[in-house]
Amino acid sequence: GQQLNQSPQSMFIQEGEDVSMNCTSSSIFNTWLWYKQDPGEGPVLLIALYKAGELTSNGRLTAQFGITRKDSFLNISASIPSDVGIYFCAGQRNTGNQFYFGTGTSLTVIP
Amino acid sequence: NAGVTQTPKFQVLKTGQSMTLQCAQDMNHEYMSWYRQDPGMGLRLIHYSVGAGITDQGEVPNGYNVSRSTTEDFPLRLLSAAPSQTSVYFCASSYRRTGSPNSPLHFGNGTRLTVT
Repeated sequence: GQQLNQSPQSMFIQEGEDVSMNCTSSSIFNTWLWYKQDPGEGPVLLIALYKAGELTSNGRLTAQFGITRKDSFLNISASIPSDVGIYFCAGQRNTGNQFYFGTGTSLTVIP
Repeated sequence: NAGVTQTPKFQVLKTGQSMTLQCAQDMNHEYMSWYRQDPGMGLRLIHYSVGAGITDQGEVPNGYNVSRSTTEDFPLRLLSAAPSQTSVYFCASSYRRTGSPNSPLHFGNGTRLTVT
């Protein structure tokens, strides 16, 4: 099946630091999504990207749709303890209905 | 709106037992899907449906059956549970948009299944 390579696998950072993670694919996607999953809950949508080169913000979160359409990036500025969780990227092609997910980045914020 | 509701939250089965995981959504979403989440594997698609009466296989369909008799409900059936099916199962739904990508997925809170 389609693989999305997400990195890093895990991050341990100090509160207040900025965070960057990315997702790459061997295929072109027309939609890139970023989700956050808290323990014991389902993933929740953070940012949706629909156009190559698009840069979209949601509070302290900023995500970019790569120009090649094969990658996407998520940045979190000035991290706080409630940013702890697992972050997933997901991509969708224009045809078909399937969403492909990355393996996740586990973020730990040390107060 | 309740969104996507999954029941039960937790379940323990013995090998060979059968059960149905329930999923319901009240957002009138045409697209519904089931994923399993295992450590280090991300979310893998089991089955999906693009509307009532239509289902299709995802990446890991073996050992699971689905049906879609209504827009709201999309149950997942395990006919003979195996330890390899120990996992966290998520149901997710979205709008379908003709000629365009679907809207983003909305997830339920998951069912944690252990097969002994």
